[in-house]
Amino acid sequence: DGGITQSPKYLFRKEGQNVTLSCEQNLNHDAMYWYRQDPGQGLRLIYYSQIVNDFQKGDIAEGYSVSREKKESFPLTVTSAQKNPTAFYLCASSIDGIATSNEQFFGPGTRLTVL
Amino acid sequence: GENVEQHPSTLSVQEGDSAVIKCTYSDSASNYFPWYKQELGKRPQLIIDIRSNVGEKKDQRIAVTLNKTAKHFSLHITETQPEDSAVYFCAVTDSWGKFQFGAGTQVVVTP
Repeated sequence: DGGITQSPKYLFRKEGQNVTLSCEQNLNHDAMYWYRQDPGQGLRLIYYSQIVNDFQKGDIAEGYSVSREKKESFPLTVTSAQKNPTAFYLCASSIDGIATSNEQFFGPGTRLTVL
Repeated sequence: GENVEQHPSTLSVQEGDSAVIKCTYSDSASNYFPWYKQELGKRPQLIIDIRSNVGEKKDQRIAVTLNKTAKHFSLHITETQPEDSAVYFCAVTDSWGKFQFGAGTQVVVTP
């Protein structure tokens, strides 16, 4: 629970605008992740970062961009190229992104609505 | 890539009864299988997980069983209570170490 935060909780955007979602963690975790959640579907991976200054595309990266300049921060930008951005966005972190059996801890999420 | 199927999509149970959710996966190299619970509008939280060298794990009313040969694993909730009502997600690590999530099961426990 504690240790990973997202802001804002709700975000409204007009079509054609870029918006940036914030994700911060103080767990000293190396790996961070961004997921998108749509009703009736599981979580889909947008981008992930195993270490500072490095990140990889997930399954649905088109229309999104990220940066990882600091260990504790992994902001996600939803660009105007994302055709259907209205969704619930979840950020997560894990101790080590290299090992394949580490629990992921989730932030509280940001609900983005495009008007 | 990894394909994770989760069934059923919805599950209604009477309080006190048991609930079982099953997930199947395709990548035989997968070695970590967590289950997350997500209450309405909240973040997913890990409730139990199992690694490939174990066939069963139990934590109070919750248990997970893994059949690596058949590539499926199941969540078992016994003596269900109203606070067990939530969406439950299974996940599997793929060959790259990333999580692939099932589509979720909406569990409703009626008093």
